[in-house]
Amino acid sequence: EVQLVQSGAEVKKPGDSLKISCKTSGYTFTTSWIAWVRQMPGKGLEWMGVIYPGDSDTRYSPSFQGQVTISADTSISTAYLQWRSLRASDTAIYYCARHQLENDGLQYINWFDFWGQGTLVTVSS
Amino acid sequence: QSVLTRPPSASGTPGQRVTISCSGSSSNIGSHAVSWYQQLPGTAPKLLIYSNNQRPSGVPDRFSGSKSGTSASLAISGLQSEDEADYYCATWDDSLNGPVFGGGTKLTVL
Repeated sequence: EVQLVQSGAEVKKPGDSLKISCKTSGYTFTTSWIAWVRQMPGKGLEWMGVIYPGDSDTRYSPSFQGQVTISADTSISTAYLQWRSLRASDTAIYYCARHQLENDGLQYINWFDFWGQGTLVTVSS
Repeated sequence: QSVLTRPPSASGTPGQRVTISCSGSSSNIGSHAVSWYQQLPGTAPKLLIYSNNQRPSGVPDRFSGSKSGTSASLAISGLQSEDEADYYCATWDDSLNGPVFGGGTKLTVL
């Protein structure tokens, strides 16, 4: 059974650093992309970026490039999302999800088939 | 603001068939496959449809997806109270060079 289990809720102050985790099981960690998705309070889903743990290939949405760092530790099948300096606007629920990505030569076929339970990050002074 | 346009809300009565639309452009829906997600209140999103019209195992056949040109639709037949949730479309966007989500449609079962 595929499972993605995320670390617990965090309360931080502006300027703090933070690293949240997404521990996976039930499939081969190194052969699937893992994405991070943000959901701000009362808002929709936003793709932040993705990592392929097999070779650490990492891509970011332009909106999040330079703001966060995505990494993975293949020895413990865990992906991470990290901030160096949090802002109040980073307050949100963050989801990890396994990202399936195929290209049949004509189109990209991509979907998020398994999701973590979400990590609530609250940034407040 | 997402590049995928959708109605912010939809509603129906139990047993009814409802359709949720998602409109994009040639750089996203017009060129790539669409997936759909259900997010029940206070829970993580769940995959309903991938590759325009494919259902993962375990998703009831009451849920179906379709795509035509630069628009996609999710249909829910035999509406049930437990279908009350937010629904999101998603696809690849060439300008973003990554996946993009629609803004979400809140479905109310009256």
